[in-house]
Amino acid sequence: EADIYQTPRYLVIGTGKKITLECSQTMGHDKMYWYQQDPGMELHLIHYSYGVNSTEKGDLSSESTVSRIRTEHFPLTLESARPSHTSQYLCASSETGGARETQYFGPGTRLLVL
Amino acid sequence: QKEVEQDPGPLSVPEGAIVSLNCTYSNSAFQYFMWYRQYSRKGPELLMYTYSSGNKEDGRFTAQVDKSSKYISLFIRDSQPSDSATYLCALNTGGFKTIFGAGTRLFVKA
Repeated sequence: EADIYQTPRYLVIGTGKKITLECSQTMGHDKMYWYQQDPGMELHLIHYSYGVNSTEKGDLSSESTVSRIRTEHFPLTLESARPSHTSQYLCASSETGGARETQYFGPGTRLLVL
Repeated sequence: QKEVEQDPGPLSVPEGAIVSLNCTYSNSAFQYFMWYRQYSRKGPELLMYTYSSGNKEDGRFTAQVDKSSKYISLFIRDSQPSDSATYLCALNTGGFKTIFGAGTRLFVKA
């Protein structure tokens, strides 16, 4: 079982609030990812990181930001939450080399913005 | 056109049936093919990983890749109610980005 954790699991918040979704992994993986998943839809890549101090935006236009100060930690921040941000957010990690690009996912954070 | 097409289902089968799940894709550069299983309100978990063409078997699960047809399949033998989940195919060219299908919802009835 993958050792990747996300908190909170569920969050209901009002419009305009700043929120941070936490993601941590204990596998020492270099690469980490944030995805957005809506029911019946593909996973959309929001941000990814190759390693410490390396972050890039994904395909999905997002008003969120990420940081990677430590290998194991990859938090996602929404400066001002809006109802359009309501979704499930999945964090994942993968190792470099070996069975490349097999990603290990956290349990997800379900966000509801009122 | 989407890079990966996957029938969303739902697919409902009786316990013990053989299940066939499929994805088609358009980019011939994909080399790595994965299947993930996602239970309700959980994150996806890796089920099968295949590099290039051919078959791979793991217990009741068999993954098949046909690169000439750009078609991948996951077979589940002797399906169990605990197999009820959404199954996502995932493809990668060898770079950082993995393309996921939208998933097929499977229900196995006892």
